[in-house]
Amino acid sequence: NAGVTQTPKFQVLKTGQSMTLQCAQDMNHNSMYWYRQDPGMGLRLIYYSASEGTTDKGEVPNGYNVSRLNKREFSLRLESAAPSQTSVYFCASSEAGGIRPYEQYFGPGTRLTVT
Amino acid sequence: GESVGLHLPTLSVQEGDNSIINCAYSNSASDYFIWYKQESGKGPQFIIDIRSNMDKRQGQRVTVLLNKTVKHLSLQIAATQPGDSAVYFCAENSRNGNKLVFGAGTILRVKS
Repeated sequence: NAGVTQTPKFQVLKTGQSMTLQCAQDMNHNSMYWYRQDPGMGLRLIYYSASEGTTDKGEVPNGYNVSRLNKREFSLRLESAAPSQTSVYFCASSEAGGIRPYEQYFGPGTRLTVT
Repeated sequence: GESVGLHLPTLSVQEGDNSIINCAYSNSASDYFIWYKQESGKGPQFIIDIRSNMDKRQGQRVTVLLNKTVKHLSLQIAATQPGDSAVYFCAENSRNGNKLVFGAGTILRVKS
């Protein structure tokens, strides 16, 4: 199993450009998440999807949109990139219930720079 | 140490010593806590968890202590090794859905 995969690994955008970050998980998890991580800070939730067909805003949703394409895939879109969106973006997935009900599995991250 | 601006608290320990990383959580209603380890250039990885009905849980070389009275969580790493060098995050469950709220993190540096 690959776990959680993210593409691309690195991206440089100019202000105003758009792009979509891709995430896929092969663990059959219901819930998926997008976080951003800025230097010296913890992870901040952008959007999450509790199950296929649903999405909800997290702590910092402004400037982003998401699509839960199917159970496996959850994409994050920046419609008009701004320098303030320079960050490392992590996708995660989890399965409610079980021995570790809130454990989230993380992808390797996408390092985005907006100039 | 206290986090100021962009600077995470840093703990430097000698290889072989024990490490204690602390975390203050915010929500007294949280009933589940996780410690994550994040190595440079990678995503966070699960280390150990604890439910609020426990005050101590042990894993392999790691122990988590929970003090609900003062909303404090600590991670103890025994016989710290160079491979333990990373940023460590505590996380608590959010009562609003199946979400986690992460702390800012602590850098652990292991000196050989």
